[in-house]
Amino acid sequence: QVQLVQSGAEVKKPGASVKVSCKASGYTFTGYYMHWVRQAPGQGLEWMGRINPNSGGTNYAQKFQGRVTMTRDTSISTAYMELSRLRSDDTAVYYCASGYSGYDYGSGYYYYYMDVWGKGTTVTVSS
Amino acid sequence: QTVVTQEPSFSVSPGGTVTLTCGLSSGSVSTSYYPSWYQQTPGQAPRTLIYSTNTRSSGVPDRFSGSILGNKAALTITGAQADDESDYYCVLYMGSGMVFGGGTKLTVL
Repeated sequence: QVQLVQSGAEVKKPGASVKVSCKASGYTFTGYYMHWVRQAPGQGLEWMGRINPNSGGTNYAQKFQGRVTMTRDTSISTAYMELSRLRSDDTAVYYCASGYSGYDYGSGYYYYYMDVWGKGTTVTVSS
Repeated sequence: QTVVTQEPSFSVSPGGTVTLTCGLSSGSVSTSYYPSWYQQTPGQAPRTLIYSTNTRSSGVPDRFSGSILGNKAALTITGAQADDESDYYCVLYMGSGMVFGGGTKLTVL
């Protein structure tokens, strides 16, 4: 079955970087976009950006431009999200989600949504 | 910057029908925003309910439906059940990326 397995919890100091991984299985990794979404404690969901695992092309939310880098390793079906210059308000659960972000050649339609979600990775930023 | 708006909270009686909405601080939501809806219970990852306005994701019961009502996207739950008590988020495609609404906390009582 389709599954996204994320890396374990991280504790980082302010100013450091964190890199979260998301290993996909059960589907063709390069056939679907990978979105990244975060949720601060007690807050709502926030879209951070997405990567096209086939081309490596990325689209980041303006808020995270310059601080976030999304990459992938197709040989191991794994996507990565690195966030730099961490602040205390980056403390959150970070989710990866496979899905769509544009024209789907298989169906001939446009789709924009997140489909299958990972269980989340807790990142705590504290001095 | 345009904000995606949702009711902060809503309540429904068991067996009842509730419609949650998703609007814009400026302008109207149309199918061109490809609205999608997600359900989240505390401590769990979100679950995809609806995409492209009204298409149910795999395994989602048909008592969940999506539509455009007036100038907003809408999620209607018909025959609400106790385990529908969750947070519900809409997402709109804004051209430059996806934007979440603030979420609606649905209480079933």
